[in-house]
Amino acid sequence: DQQVKQNSPSLSVQEGRISILNCDYTNSMFDYFLWYKKYPAEGPTFLISISSIKDKNEDGRFTVFLNKSAKHLSLHIVPSQPGDSAVYFCAATLTSGTYKYIFGTGTRLKVLA
Amino acid sequence: ETGVTQSPTHLIKTRGQQVTLRCSSQSGHNTVSWYQQALGQGPQFIFQYYREEENGRGNFPPRFSGLQFPNYSSELNVNALELDDSALYLCASSLELGGPDTQYFGPGTRLTVL
Repeated sequence: DQQVKQNSPSLSVQEGRISILNCDYTNSMFDYFLWYKKYPAEGPTFLISISSIKDKNEDGRFTVFLNKSAKHLSLHIVPSQPGDSAVYFCAATLTSGTYKYIFGTGTRLKVLA
Repeated sequence: ETGVTQSPTHLIKTRGQQVTLRCSSQSGHNTVSWYQQALGQGPQFIFQYYREEENGRGNFPPRFSGLQFPNYSSELNVNALELDDSALYLCASSLELGGPDTQYFGPGTRLTVL
């Protein structure tokens, strides 16, 4: 049972345009969400997070939106740069008990110069 | 402040063997989590250690075990290796502050079981 889903395995975007990566979850108990970026031969790197008490969080070019009623979150990258080309994972967790992350399967973003 | 490191980078074993993977957490972090990432999948939680005690476990059999040491290093041990154990193994450290503190990942160990 995949509790966190990223239905788009890949996405190509032109440099300078907006990249939108989507993530859906099924467990309404999740109350903290994160996005990680992964380059080949490296571990995932933390990008941005959001608590379920918010619906938006911004950090520079990166914005995460959370729609609790739809159990959906998205990551917006504006403007996209070639260095953003990587695999992006969303993750969800509960703020009680073990803070294990439940990851999606990832979306490979390619930003074209 | 050093990051999370893992050793070895790559490892090849045969079915039935045992393997030990090592992780050095970021300085000051008292929590370490281990994940298995199969090809084309996201990382899957194996277990977490907090102050040298297991603090939660995912859906993995008992042949996956771990240790955490006072110097922030940790080990993942896998006995009776199976072909499906071939994956990238990631450790992540965090400083638990009573909330879902960000986990910082190492580069991983690529395990191949033949």
